[in-house]
Amino acid sequence: DTGVSQDPRHKITKRGQNVTFRCDPISEHNRLYWYRQTLGQGPEFLTYFQNEAQLEKSRLLSDRFSAERPKGSFSTLEIQRTEQGDSAMYLCASSLVRGYSGQGRDTEQYFGPGTRLTVT
Amino acid sequence: RKEVEQDPGPFNVPEGATVAFNCTYSNSASQSFFWYRQDCRKEPKLLMSVYSSGNEDGRFTAQLNRASQYISLLIRDSKLSDSATYLCVVKGAGGTSYGKLTFGQGTILTVHP
Repeated sequence: DTGVSQDPRHKITKRGQNVTFRCDPISEHNRLYWYRQTLGQGPEFLTYFQNEAQLEKSRLLSDRFSAERPKGSFSTLEIQRTEQGDSAMYLCASSLVRGYSGQGRDTEQYFGPGTRLTVT
Repeated sequence: RKEVEQDPGPFNVPEGATVAFNCTYSNSASQSFFWYRQDCRKEPKLLMSVYSSGNEDGRFTAQLNRASQYISLLIRDSKLSDSATYLCVVKGAGGTSYGKLTFGQGTILTVHP
Protein backbone atom coordinates (compact mmCIF):
# COMPACT_ATOMS: atom_id res chain seq x y z
CA ASP A 1 0.00 0.00 0.00
CA THR A 2 1.55 3.31 -1.05
CA GLY A 3 -0.86 5.59 0.83
CA VAL A 4 -0.52 7.33 4.18
CA SER A 5 -0.45 4.89 7.08
CA GLN A 6 -1.05 5.50 10.76
CA ASP A 7 -0.38 3.38 13.80
CA PRO A 8 -2.11 2.38 15.96
CA ARG A 9 -5.58 2.56 14.46
CA HIS A 10 -7.22 2.54 17.86
CA LYS A 11 -5.89 3.45 21.29
CA ILE A 12 -7.70 3.27 24.61
CA THR A 13 -5.88 4.82 27.52
CA LYS A 14 -6.57 5.98 31.02
CA ARG A 15 -6.58 9.62 31.91
CA GLY A 16 -3.13 10.82 32.84
CA GLN A 17 -1.24 8.36 30.64
CA ASN A 18 1.00 9.37 27.76
CA VAL A 19 0.30 8.17 24.24
CA THR A 20 2.27 8.35 21.00
CA PHE A 21 0.96 7.99 17.48
CA ARG A 22 2.93 7.39 14.32
CA CYS A 23 2.29 8.55 10.76
CA ASP A 24 4.09 7.33 7.65
CA PRO A 25 3.41 9.65 4.71
CA ILE A 26 3.49 8.83 1.03
CA SER A 27 7.17 8.29 0.39
CA GLU A 28 7.97 11.22 -1.89
CA HIS A 29 5.83 13.72 0.03
CA ASN A 30 7.73 16.41 1.88
CA ARG A 31 4.81 17.95 3.79
CA LEU A 32 3.08 16.20 6.65
CA TYR A 33 0.05 17.48 8.55
CA TRP A 34 -1.72 16.49 11.75
CA TYR A 35 -5.42 17.15 12.28
CA ARG A 36 -7.84 16.24 15.04
CA GLN A 37 -11.51 15.40 14.50
CA THR A 38 -14.14 15.09 17.18
CA LEU A 39 -17.59 13.62 16.67
CA GLY A 40 -19.84 15.78 14.54
CA GLN A 41 -17.10 18.22 13.61
CA GLY A 42 -14.75 18.62 10.69
CA PRO A 43 -11.03 17.99 11.16
CA GLU A 44 -9.10 20.77 12.93
CA PHE A 45 -5.54 21.61 12.01
CA LEU A 46 -2.92 20.89 14.66
CA THR A 47 0.49 21.29 13.03
CA TYR A 48 2.49 20.66 9.91
CA PHE A 49 6.02 19.92 8.78
CA GLN A 50 7.94 20.62 5.65
CA ASN A 51 10.64 17.98 5.66
CA GLU A 52 11.81 17.98 9.28
CA ALA A 53 10.89 21.61 10.00
CA GLN A 54 7.71 22.27 11.95
CA LEU A 55 6.27 25.32 10.18
CA GLU A 56 3.08 26.04 12.05
CA LYS A 57 1.33 24.96 15.23
CA SER A 58 -2.30 25.60 16.10
CA ARG A 59 -3.35 27.15 19.38
CA LEU A 60 -5.13 23.81 19.89
CA LEU A 61 -1.72 22.21 20.35
CA SER A 62 -1.29 22.73 24.09
CA ASP A 63 1.94 22.13 25.97
CA ARG A 64 0.88 18.53 26.46
CA PHE A 65 1.11 17.88 22.74
CA SER A 66 4.33 17.52 20.83
CA ALA A 67 5.01 16.45 17.28
CA GLU A 68 8.26 15.50 15.61
CA ARG A 69 9.47 14.52 12.20
CA PRO A 70 13.14 13.88 12.92
CA LYS A 71 14.33 12.70 9.52
CA GLY A 72 11.72 14.27 7.34
CA SER A 73 9.96 10.97 6.78
CA PHE A 74 7.62 9.54 9.43
CA SER A 75 6.18 11.70 12.19
CA THR A 76 5.09 11.09 15.77
CA LEU A 77 2.46 12.92 17.79
CA GLU A 78 2.72 12.55 21.55
CA ILE A 79 0.11 13.54 24.07
CA GLN A 80 1.24 13.71 27.67
CA ARG A 81 -1.05 13.42 30.69
CA THR A 82 -4.08 12.64 28.53
CA GLU A 83 -7.45 14.13 29.41
CA GLN A 84 -10.91 12.95 28.45
CA GLY A 85 -11.20 15.93 26.14
CA ASP A 86 -8.34 14.51 24.08
CA SER A 87 -10.61 11.71 22.87
CA ALA A 88 -10.83 12.17 19.12
CA MET A 89 -9.68 10.86 15.78
CA TYR A 90 -6.14 12.00 14.98
CA LEU A 91 -5.62 12.27 11.25
CA CYS A 92 -2.35 12.58 9.39
CA ALA A 93 -2.07 13.85 5.82
CA SER A 94 0.79 14.35 3.42
CA SER A 95 1.43 16.31 0.26
CA LEU A 96 4.23 17.28 -2.08
CA VAL A 97 5.33 20.87 -2.38
CA ARG A 98 7.74 22.23 -4.91
CA GLY A 99 9.42 25.56 -4.67
CA TYR A 100 10.60 27.75 -1.85
CA SER A 101 10.22 26.20 1.60
CA GLY A 102 6.91 27.14 3.17
CA GLN A 103 5.78 29.15 0.18
CA GLY A 104 5.33 26.72 -2.65
CA ARG A 105 2.04 25.33 -3.84
CA ASP A 106 1.42 21.79 -2.79
CA THR A 107 -0.48 18.90 -4.26
CA GLU A 108 -3.65 17.44 -2.82
CA GLN A 109 -3.37 16.36 0.80
CA TYR A 110 -3.87 12.63 1.17
CA PHE A 111 -5.19 11.49 4.51
CA GLY A 112 -4.34 8.40 6.46
CA PRO A 113 -7.02 6.24 8.10
CA GLY A 114 -6.55 7.97 11.44
CA THR A 115 -5.88 6.89 15.00
CA ARG A 116 -8.96 6.85 17.19
CA LEU A 117 -8.07 7.77 20.77
CA THR A 118 -10.39 7.06 23.68
CA VAL A 119 -9.39 8.41 27.08
CA THR A 120 -11.28 6.79 29.95
CA ARG B 1 -17.41 33.12 14.26
CA LYS B 2 -16.08 29.92 12.71
CA GLU B 3 -13.71 30.32 9.76
CA VAL B 4 -15.78 27.96 7.62
CA GLU B 5 -19.48 27.49 8.24
CA GLN B 6 -21.81 24.89 6.79
CA ASP B 7 -25.36 23.83 7.42
CA PRO B 8 -24.83 20.51 9.25
CA GLY B 9 -28.10 19.07 7.95
CA PRO B 10 -28.80 16.23 7.94
CA PHE B 11 -30.21 16.12 4.45
CA ASN B 12 -32.39 13.12 3.71
CA VAL B 13 -33.29 12.85 0.03
CA PRO B 14 -34.68 10.15 -2.25
CA GLU B 15 -32.63 8.63 -5.02
CA GLY B 16 -32.64 10.84 -8.08
CA ALA B 17 -33.08 14.08 -6.16
CA THR B 18 -30.98 17.19 -6.58
CA VAL B 19 -29.41 18.51 -3.40
CA ALA B 20 -27.39 21.65 -2.76
CA PHE B 21 -24.94 22.42 0.03
CA ASN B 22 -23.75 25.87 0.96
CA CYS B 23 -20.75 27.13 2.82
CA THR B 24 -19.33 30.51 3.82
CA TYR B 25 -15.80 31.39 4.84
CA SER B 26 -14.49 34.35 6.80
CA ASN B 27 -10.92 34.89 5.59
CA SER B 28 -10.98 36.84 2.37
CA ALA B 29 -7.29 36.06 1.80
CA SER B 30 -7.94 32.33 1.49
CA GLN B 31 -6.30 30.86 -1.55
CA SER B 32 -7.97 27.61 -2.53
CA PHE B 33 -11.28 25.90 -1.98
CA PHE B 34 -12.43 22.31 -1.99
CA TRP B 35 -15.18 19.87 -1.21
CA TYR B 36 -14.13 16.70 0.59
CA ARG B 37 -16.24 13.63 1.18
CA GLN B 38 -16.01 11.58 4.36
CA ASP B 39 -17.68 8.22 4.78
CA CYS B 40 -18.58 7.02 8.25
CA ARG B 41 -15.44 6.27 10.31
CA LYS B 42 -13.19 6.84 7.30
CA GLU B 43 -10.72 9.54 6.37
CA PRO B 44 -11.73 12.57 4.29
CA LYS B 45 -11.10 12.30 0.56
CA LEU B 46 -10.98 15.08 -1.99
CA LEU B 47 -14.18 15.26 -4.02
CA MET B 48 -13.35 18.30 -6.11
CA SER B 49 -11.63 21.64 -6.15
CA VAL B 50 -13.78 24.76 -6.48
CA TYR B 51 -13.08 27.59 -8.90
CA SER B 52 -14.68 30.99 -9.43
CA SER B 53 -15.64 30.00 -12.94
CA GLY B 54 -17.57 27.04 -11.58
CA ASN B 55 -16.61 23.48 -12.31
CA GLU B 56 -18.42 20.27 -12.94
CA ASP B 57 -17.48 16.63 -12.47
CA GLY B 58 -20.22 14.35 -13.66
CA ARG B 59 -23.23 14.85 -11.39
CA PHE B 60 -21.34 17.27 -9.13
CA THR B 61 -21.09 21.02 -9.70
CA ALA B 62 -19.13 23.35 -7.47
CA GLN B 63 -19.19 27.13 -7.42
CA LEU B 64 -17.19 29.81 -5.67
CA ASN B 65 -18.21 33.42 -5.16
CA ARG B 66 -15.18 35.27 -3.80
CA ALA B 67 -17.06 38.55 -3.37
CA SER B 68 -19.59 37.03 -0.99
CA GLN B 69 -17.14 34.38 0.32
CA TYR B 70 -19.59 31.66 -0.52
CA ILE B 71 -19.03 28.12 -1.81
CA SER B 72 -21.63 25.69 -3.06
CA LEU B 73 -21.92 22.07 -4.13
CA LEU B 74 -24.78 20.72 -6.21
CA ILE B 75 -25.39 17.00 -6.57
CA ARG B 76 -27.78 15.95 -9.31
CA ASP B 77 -29.50 12.58 -9.67
CA SER B 78 -28.46 11.45 -6.19
CA LYS B 79 -27.34 7.86 -5.74
CA LEU B 80 -27.42 5.72 -2.61
CA SER B 81 -23.63 5.74 -2.75
CA ASP B 82 -23.59 9.54 -2.34
CA SER B 83 -24.58 9.10 1.31
CA ALA B 84 -21.70 10.60 3.29
CA THR B 85 -20.59 13.76 5.07
CA TYR B 86 -19.55 16.56 2.75
CA LEU B 87 -16.90 18.89 4.08
CA CYS B 88 -16.33 22.40 2.80
CA VAL B 89 -12.61 23.17 2.96
CA VAL B 90 -10.60 26.35 2.61
CA LYS B 91 -6.85 26.42 2.19
CA GLY B 92 -4.48 28.78 3.95
CA ALA B 93 -4.25 32.47 3.49
CA GLY B 94 -0.60 32.55 2.61
CA GLY B 95 2.83 32.47 4.22
CA THR B 96 3.47 29.47 6.42
CA SER B 97 -0.30 28.96 6.71
CA TYR B 98 -0.53 28.25 3.03
CA GLY B 99 -0.74 24.49 3.34
CA LYS B 100 -3.21 24.40 6.19
CA LEU B 101 -6.73 23.19 5.47
CA THR B 102 -9.65 24.64 7.42
CA PHE B 103 -12.74 22.45 7.42
CA GLY B 104 -16.36 23.23 7.98
CA GLN B 105 -18.21 20.96 10.36
CA GLY B 106 -19.61 18.93 7.50
CA THR B 107 -23.06 18.34 6.05
CA ILE B 108 -24.54 14.88 6.43
CA LEU B 109 -26.32 13.52 3.39
CA THR B 110 -28.44 10.39 3.39
CA VAL B 111 -29.90 9.20 0.11
CA HIS B 112 -32.72 6.69 0.53
CA PRO B 113 -34.40 4.35 -1.97
